[in-house]
Formats: sequence, structure tokens, C-alpha cells
Amino acid sequence: QITLTQQAESLWISPGERVSITCRASQSLLYTDGKHYLSWYQQRPGQTTKALIYHASVRTDGVPTRFIGSGSGTEFTLSIEHVQPEDFAIYYCLQTLKSPLTFGSGTKLEIK
Amino acid sequence: EVQLQESGPGLVKPSQSLSLTCSVTGYSITSNYWGWIRKFPGNKMEWMGYISYSGSTSYNPSLKSRISITRDTSKNQFFLQLNSVTTEDTATYYCARYRVATPFDYWGQGVMVTVSS
Repeated sequence: QITLTQQAESLWISPGERVSITCRASQSLLYTDGKHYLSWYQQRPGQTTKALIYHASVRTDGVPTRFIGSGSGTEFTLSIEHVQPEDFAIYYCLQTLKSPLTFGSGTKLEIK
Repeated sequence: EVQLQESGPGLVKPSQSLSLTCSVTGYSITSNYWGWIRKFPGNKMEWMGYISYSGSTSYNPSLKSRISITRDTSKNQFFLQLNSVTTEDTATYYCARYRVATPFDYWGQGVMVTVSS
């Protein structure tokens, strides 16, 4: 199965700063259609899990433009510019290229 | 708007079966795929499996011998059954809609299940 590694378990930042969360795959997530099958999700207490990014860089409808997905092959990044108070949450990457679908271990964004 | 809601017992004894229901409103489960995901204490997430619009299923091999996902289209619900549970199945269980283009775009709130005697 494909393993996704999110190296940082926690990241401490101040509101207004920029942060990058990385996700590394054990093999390329590029399919023959030219798309990368890597998504990003946000979990906040008391809220339903929110899909942020699909295909590595496509923002879901309604997701603020400060959330930016990038990367290719096996290395992917979720960047958040000018972090807002509501962005302090846990972020997961997910690969859907091959079954079984697998998640990264999660990165918790915490207030410095 | 698509909404999903998990329900089921919060406490299950070891060796018994865990049974959960996901009730869907705002969208028919006869379209797309419908999945179960769980989050363990410590935040690890695991995809468990899904049922398709036609009723076919796909399961995580790590669970294949213990898991069953079924549905009732008349009630727009789908179900999770996990057999022979142990304390390691203690987790928060989520149901979610899965589409190839936009995987897991809608989620339920999750239901916490503890396996304990």
C-alpha cells in the first residue's frame, strides 16, 4: 500500500503568519490522466471534516484562497497564508490513487 | 445540501460486533460511493471501505475478514458491521460521500465507539 508521511506532528505559529504542511508519498501519485490523486482535509473540534484541496492543487468550492495546494510526484504541500484563528486544526493528506486509500498521520496547527 | 449522520452504540464488548448506521439526506445513495473512515486515539485515520451506487463494495484488506458494508436504499442509509472487535477498534467512526473527482467531500460528525468489557 502507499504510505503517506506527514513529518510534522505539530506546528506552532502565530495568527497572520504563513505555514506549510508537507506530505510525502512512498510512490508517485500521478495517474495517466495527468492528475495527482492527493487531497487535503481539515478537522476542527465540533465541526465536520472539511475537504480543502483535490488533485494536489484544486481548491474545493468555498475554501478561502489562502489555502494553497502544491506539489507533484511524491512531494506535496498545503500552504496557508495569513493564518486565521479558525485555521488552527488538524490537517490530513489522503491518497486515492490506489486501494487501500491511505491517510497521512496528520499535522496539528497550534497557536504559538 | 448533503448531510450525513452516524448513529449506533457508543460501547461494544470485546469479541462482539460493532454496528453503525449512516443516514444521508439531500442526496441519494444510489449515486456515487459511500464510505466509512475511522480515527483512532492519537489521530491516526484509516479508510475502512465503501459501497457503490450499485451496491458493490470495496474494503481495506486489513479489515477484509471482519467488515461488511450494506445499504437500505429505501431509507437512504448505509451500514457498517465490524465483527470480532477488540480494544484496538476503539475509535471515532465517520461516514462520508466518496467521488472519484472529489473524494470524501461530505462527512458526518462522527460517532465515538469504545470497545471495553
